Amino acid sequence: GENVEQHPSTLSVQEGDSAVIKCTYSDSASNYFPWYKQELGKRPQLIIDIRSNVGEKKDQRIAVTLNKTAKHFSLHITETQPEDSAVYFCAATASYDKVIFGPGTSLSVIP
Amino acid sequence: EAGVAQSPRYKIIEKRQSVAFWCNPISGHATLYWYQQILGQGPKLLIQFQNNGVVDDSQLPKDRFSAERLKGVDSTLKIQPAKLEDSAVYLCASREGTEYEQFFGPGTRLTVL
Repeated sequence: GENVEQHPSTLSVQEGDSAVIKCTYSDSASNYFPWYKQELGKRPQLIIDIRSNVGEKKDQRIAVTLNKTAKHFSLHITETQPEDSAVYFCAATASYDKVIFGPGTSLSVIP
Repeated sequence: EAGVAQSPRYKIIEKRQSVAFWCNPISGHATLYWYQQILGQGPKLLIQFQNNGVVDDSQLPKDRFSAERLKGVDSTLKIQPAKLEDSAVYLCASREGTEYEQFFGPGTRLTVL
């Protein structure tokens, strides 16, 4: 079945440094790739997404890149701040539905 | 705009008991999802509704889990009887027809003792 892998599972960075989280997916028909941020005890919230017709998307300190040939995509956070500390989930879907989530990356930003 | 509402927020039961969760999606969102999120894992889809019809329930353990969305708005998810491994956060999400983004509720944290 469809699968999304995510690495690393935990990541610690110093405040101001960059953080990179990488994901791979198995379903070549996937065409939508959202990233969710989940703070402790809270709901997942969409922070950025990318569709298969573009290779990169940026929103302030957050950027996502997509390589459809290799079936992998990455989240880049620059100038990290303590409030970026959370669990980040990548996901992939071949339609509006059946979103497959990765296992998550716990990011800690050390002041 | 009000978000997705869920209740209760927390529930503790003993194994073999029954439990029910309620979800009210964002107004106008025809698609509703129930996810199970076990500690340390990503959300796993249990069931998806389009209005009051089931679109996908392939990962729903149908011997103990059931869900309904009778009037195409609110939904309930039931577990009967509960097992220890059902301890998780149950997330409800909804989506507007032509948009990809899913909006999540706050979840119900279930502990089965």
